[in-house]
Amino acid sequence: GDSVTQTEGLVTLTEGLPVMLNCTYQTAYSTFLFWYVQHLNEAPKLLLKSSTDNKRTEHQGFHATLHKSSSSFHLQKSSAQLSDSALYYCALSEGSALGRLHFGAGTQLIVIP
Amino acid sequence: VTLLEQNPRWRLVPRGQAVNLRCILKNSQYPWMSWYQQDLQKQLQWLFTLRSPGDKEVKSLPGADYLATRVTDTELRLQVANMSQGRTLYCTCSAGTGVDSGNTLYFGEGSRLIVV
Repeated sequence: GDSVTQTEGLVTLTEGLPVMLNCTYQTAYSTFLFWYVQHLNEAPKLLLKSSTDNKRTEHQGFHATLHKSSSSFHLQKSSAQLSDSALYYCALSEGSALGRLHFGAGTQLIVIP
Repeated sequence: VTLLEQNPRWRLVPRGQAVNLRCILKNSQYPWMSWYQQDLQKQLQWLFTLRSPGDKEVKSLPGADYLATRVTDTELRLQVANMSQGRTLYCTCSAGTGVDSGNTLYFGEGSRLIVV
């Protein structure tokens, strides 16, 4: 079945260093991938999304490229800010099931001064 | 712009008691309404997607039993029963114009349930 794997449960970084959060997936259907961000005591919000192979998608300083050959959709940012501290989820659209996304376990990013 | 209004925002639930949650859609361009649960380990899991008034579904998961109802085009309800561990329930909406961009989810603020 469909699955999303986020290998890091917790990433701690010093402000100004680059961010890379890993996401790989498995699916038998068409591929649409999402990154959602959840700040403390808030609801998840869409950060970026893509279905186009090898095309870089950017939003709010973050970027990700969907690589179908390696089934990956890693999230990156060139320089971490304190306000980036949050829980990040990678998610996969489940085939033809509208309204239904399959979420990874999430990666908690903590940025320290 | 707020697409969804959820209530209550939080509730203390005595063990063995059921609780009813409500979600109101503010924008009819996103009619596919769903419920997701976020457990204490922060795992997000799809529960239901209900599109049409009158649709009902039930599901049992570890720690809770659920009954979801699409009451009207703008109202979705969820009854949570037999809850043994706290969780947060999120209402979401999506455009449903296709499995790609139309499956982008927009989340309500959530209803946090605490077992006492």
